[in-house]
Order: sequence, then C-alpha cells, then structure tokens
Amino acid sequence: QVQLVESGGGLVKPGGSLRLSCVGSGFTFRDSYMNWIRQAPGKGLEWLSYISSGSGSFTYYAESVKGRFTVSRDNAKNSLYLQMNSLTAEDTAVYYCARDGSLTSWGQGTLVTVSS
Amino acid sequence: DVVMTQSPLSLPVTLGQPASISCNSSQSLLYSDGNTYLNWFQQRPGQSPRRLIYKVSNRDSGVPDRFSGSGSGTDFTLKISRVEAEDVGVYFCMQATHWPPFTFGQGTKLEI
Repeated sequence: QVQLVESGGGLVKPGGSLRLSCVGSGFTFRDSYMNWIRQAPGKGLEWLSYISSGSGSFTYYAESVKGRFTVSRDNAKNSLYLQMNSLTAEDTAVYYCARDGSLTSWGQGTLVTVSS
Repeated sequence: DVVMTQSPLSLPVTLGQPASISCNSSQSLLYSDGNTYLNWFQQRPGQSPRRLIYKVSNRDSGVPDRFSGSGSGTDFTLKISRVEAEDVGVYFCMQATHWPPFTFGQGTKLEI
C-alpha cells in the first residue's frame, strides 16, 4: 500500500537550517506530484509547497515560506525534500508530506522545533 | 487566497447520534472542468490527517458509509449519520480549486 515516511526533523536554533526528507513507496513516485504541509502545535493545517511530477520543473510555495524554503525531489530514490533556511520560532510544527493535489495520502510527520 | 470557514469549531456529540459540519468558501469552488475540488480530512488524536471525502461527495476507500459529503459552490457539509467512538478527532475541509495555495478550514473538533 501507499506509504510516505518523513525524517529529518529536530531541534534547531533560530536562524538555522534543516533539511527534511520524505520517502514514498507503494506507488509510482515519479508520476506523482507532491506537497509539504505543516501543523503548528495545537493548530490547523498549512500548505507549504508543491512540486510537479517527473523532473519537478514546477514548484509553488506559500507566502510564509517563499524565499526561505526549497522543495526538490530525487525520483531515483523515491524521495522528496524540503530545505528550510532562516528558521524562526513560527516554523515550529509537525511537517507532513502528502501525495498529489487532493492530498490523497500523508506521512506520519516529522517534528521541527525552532528554539534557542 | 480562498478562505475556508468551518462551523462549529467544537462539536460535542452523543454516540449513535448524527453530526454535521459546515464549510464555506470565500469564492465558488466550481472549476472550469466542471469539478468542485473540495475535500474533507479526519485527524484522529495523535495521528496524521487522512482523506475521507474528495470532490465534495466521493468517499475514499475504506471510509465507512456513515460519512457523507454534500454541497456546491461555496457551501459544503460533512455528515456522520451515527457517530461512533472511533470518529473522535478533528475534521478539516480543504479546497484545491484555486491554488496555489491550497487552503484549509480551521478544523472542527468532534468529541463524545
């Protein structure tokens, strides 16, 4: 069955960087466009970024992360990435990857905590 | 951006009784291809979200038929015909018609 597994979360200081990964299985990863969504503690869901299928030529970002976060993919490794720079306390959240435009399947999430 | 507004934000229910959650969008979610890209998600305590309903009224595989979605344009509803204990959690609506960005409702916490 479809499985998405995120990793790379942890504690980082304000202004620091982190790279999240998401490995997909049970579906044709290269044919799927992918998204990152986050959920701050006790809060709702916020879509962050999208990357198109195949070579990932098209990417989109939420205004809150544009210029700081970069999404990429490596189809050979069935992997999706989110490079996060200039982190602030407001970026503290559980980060999920999700498959396609209807967010058909989600990973279990990885917690990012930004604190000094 | 399309604003999604859910009500109520908290929904106390009794086991076996029906429940209904409303979701309104700030603009019509009818796309030029004739589809309406409004989805519903369930997030049980301590779990990641799971899609329940896509394109207004289509249940995902494995979703019990006590869950149903309806609506059009800017007004949508998720109904549970008879609430069971496993239905406790937070329910989110999400629009995928006018993107980027995809936008979510605030969430409705269903509790017994």
